[in-house]
Amino acid sequence: GAVVSQHPSRVICKSGTSVKIECRSLDFQATTMFWYRQFPKQSLMLMATSNEGSKATYEQGVEKDKFLINHASLTLSTLTVTSAHPEDSSFYICSLSRGSYNEQFFGPGTRLTVL
Amino acid sequence: QQQVKQSPQSLIVQKGGISIINCAYENTAFDYFPWYQQFPGKGPALLIAIRPDVSEKKEGRFTISFNKSAKQFSLHIMDSQPGDSATYFCAASTTNFGNEKLTFGTGTRLTIIP
Repeated sequence: GAVVSQHPSRVICKSGTSVKIECRSLDFQATTMFWYRQFPKQSLMLMATSNEGSKATYEQGVEKDKFLINHASLTLSTLTVTSAHPEDSSFYICSLSRGSYNEQFFGPGTRLTVL
Repeated sequence: QQQVKQSPQSLIVQKGGISIINCAYENTAFDYFPWYQQFPGKGPALLIAIRPDVSEKKEGRFTISFNKSAKQFSLHIMDSQPGDSATYFCAASTTNFGNEKLTFGTGTRLTIIP
C-alpha cells in the first residue's frame, strides 16, 4: 500500500487561531487526496476531495472558507482550519487513492483540540 | 441511496472464534468494497477488498463474502485473536476515475476476549 504521513499528529490551539495540517504521500504521486474528519466513536466523514493544481471539491455542509485545502504538489496536500472553535475539535485524516481499483490508503491522522 | 449499513455496532468474540460483521448497500453503481481496520488514535488501514465479479475473497484469516443480488457483503475473521480487537469499517465506492469517493459504514467495535 501507499505510505501516507500527516503532520502534526496532535495539535492543541486556542479558539480563534488557525491550524494547518499537512498530508504527504511518501512513495506515490497523488493527483487526488481526500480529507476526512472523525468524531469519537463515529465513522469517517468525507470533507473534501483535494485535486492537485485545482480547487478542492467540498462535500455538502462543509464550509470551504473555514476548511482551506491546498494541493500544491503531487505529494503534498494541506488542510487549514481557520478561526478554529471547540466544535472543530476532531480527528482529521487524509487519504490518497492509487491502483487499478483506486484503493484508498489513509494517513495516521491528526488530533485537533481547540480550547 | 449512498448509505452503507453496518451491523452489529459492537461485537464480543472469544479467542479462537469466528467474528462476523455484515454490511448492506443500496447503490448498484458501487463496484468496490473494502474493509478497514482502525486502532484507537490511528488512521484506518486497508484490510481486504472485493469486487462484485467474485463471491468470496480470502486473505489469511480474513474472508469477504459478497452477495450481489442481496446487495450485502460481510467480513469473517477466523480464529479471532486479541490483537484483532479494533474498530472495523466496511465501505463502498465506484472505481470510475474522479468518482471514487468511499462511503463508509458506521463501524463495528470488535473485542476479542481470552
